[in-house]
Amino acid sequence: EDQVTQSPEALRLQEGESSSLNCSYTVSGLRGLFWYRQDPGKGPEFLFTLYSAGEEKEKERLKATLTKKESFLHITAPKPEDSATYLCAVPEGAQKLVFGQGTRLTINP
Amino acid sequence: NAGVTQTPKFRVLKTGQSMTLLCAQDMNHEYMYWYRQDPGMGLRLIHYSVGEGTTAKGEVPDGYNVSRLKKQNFLLGLESAAPSQTSVYFCASSSITSGRASAKNIQYFGAGTRLSVL
Repeated sequence: EDQVTQSPEALRLQEGESSSLNCSYTVSGLRGLFWYRQDPGKGPEFLFTLYSAGEEKEKERLKATLTKKESFLHITAPKPEDSATYLCAVPEGAQKLVFGQGTRLTINP
Repeated sequence: NAGVTQTPKFRVLKTGQSMTLLCAQDMNHEYMYWYRQDPGMGLRLIHYSVGEGTTAKGEVPDGYNVSRLKKQNFLLGLESAAPSQTSVYFCASSSITSGRASAKNIQYFGAGTRLSVL
């Protein structure tokens, strides 16, 4: 059974303090990895898809990287508006996604 | 730019009552999904549909039924609500028309329905 584990569960940073979130997975034949952002009271919003080990994607202060066993979401010089829960997910079969439990990120001004 | 719309946004039920949650998408997506999200449990798949008239069970299907009579709509029903079904419910949809096989799993979510069962 595919499993996705995210760490840490929660992370508090000061504005401008860079850090990384981790998503580790056990899947039989990785067919991509997805990152989502979820704001309080809202549904998850798609950020990135990574298809193969070594791939990187960037969006503003976020950069996602992928290895054969894990993915990192690097946050560079974050701002308070980057506060959210970040979810990662991997495909299971042709139609489904398996989600991690998420990392709740808080950026203090 | 409606995307995925869920109704209602909030609902309070008494144990044993029934209700239907409605999900509508305007992106012509083939796949639709119902999840529940509980603290510390992440998103768990209840049921999903790969096309009009077809449904399948997910990870936590017990106590729920679904129907997909029209491509754009996916209904989630609770026949006899229980306090354990207190949760936030999310609907999502995705397309099979993207080039890469994995790209069809990009799911787009609604804003959620917050359900309390007393």
